[in-house]
Amino acid sequence: EAGVAQSPRYKIIEKRQSVAFWCNPISGHATLYWYQQILGQGPKLLIQFQNNGVVDDSQLPKDRFSAERLKGVDSTLKIQPAKLEDSAVYLCASSIPRTGRRNTIYFGEGSWLTVV
Amino acid sequence: DQQVKQNSPSLSVQEGRISILNCDYTNSMFDYFLWYKKYPAEGPTFLISISSIKDKNEDGRFTVFLNKSAKHLSLHIVPSQPGDSAVYFCAATPSNFGNEKLTFGTGTRLTIIP
Repeated sequence: EAGVAQSPRYKIIEKRQSVAFWCNPISGHATLYWYQQILGQGPKLLIQFQNNGVVDDSQLPKDRFSAERLKGVDSTLKIQPAKLEDSAVYLCASSIPRTGRRNTIYFGEGSWLTVV
Repeated sequence: DQQVKQNSPSLSVQEGRISILNCDYTNSMFDYFLWYKKYPAEGPTFLISISSIKDKNEDGRFTVFLNKSAKHLSLHIVPSQPGDSAVYFCAATPSNFGNEKLTFGTGTRLTIIP
């Protein structure tokens, strides 16, 4: 079974530029997450989708971050304009939502962003 | 507001000995707890979990203990092996079956000394 795919793996941009990350979840996983992990910290949830609908985006800095999952499969996370403090690993994860049962969340390898 | 805390940033253990990683939480709504393991340049991988209705869950060399009254959990690895060297994240989620929302700790880097 293929895992969560992310691209690009590494990106270096200057501040005020824009960047986009792509994620393809595990086949059949309706729930998709984007997490931000800053060096020395644990992953922090940015946004959670169920199919193509947003479940939780309370921690997404909406003035500069946006995410979409138009067809309920792939997702794109965009940052525009980037700030130095956005330097982090952006982790995509997915799970199968099964009512009444616990779900394992599977993570991709992450997209490493450096803003200079 | 760090709701899940791992107060030890790093831990070194001799191969074959027991590794004990600790985690504390503050949110009383959390009732499902997980440990993830992360190697460099890879995403976190699920290791073991425990529900609040239990105080212990075991899977091979890995055991997680939960003390709800103290809001504390720990991961025991015995015997420790060199391949266990990684960063371990504690995570917690409230009672939303099928809609887990993980809050992670800051991680503990475990180094197993051969």
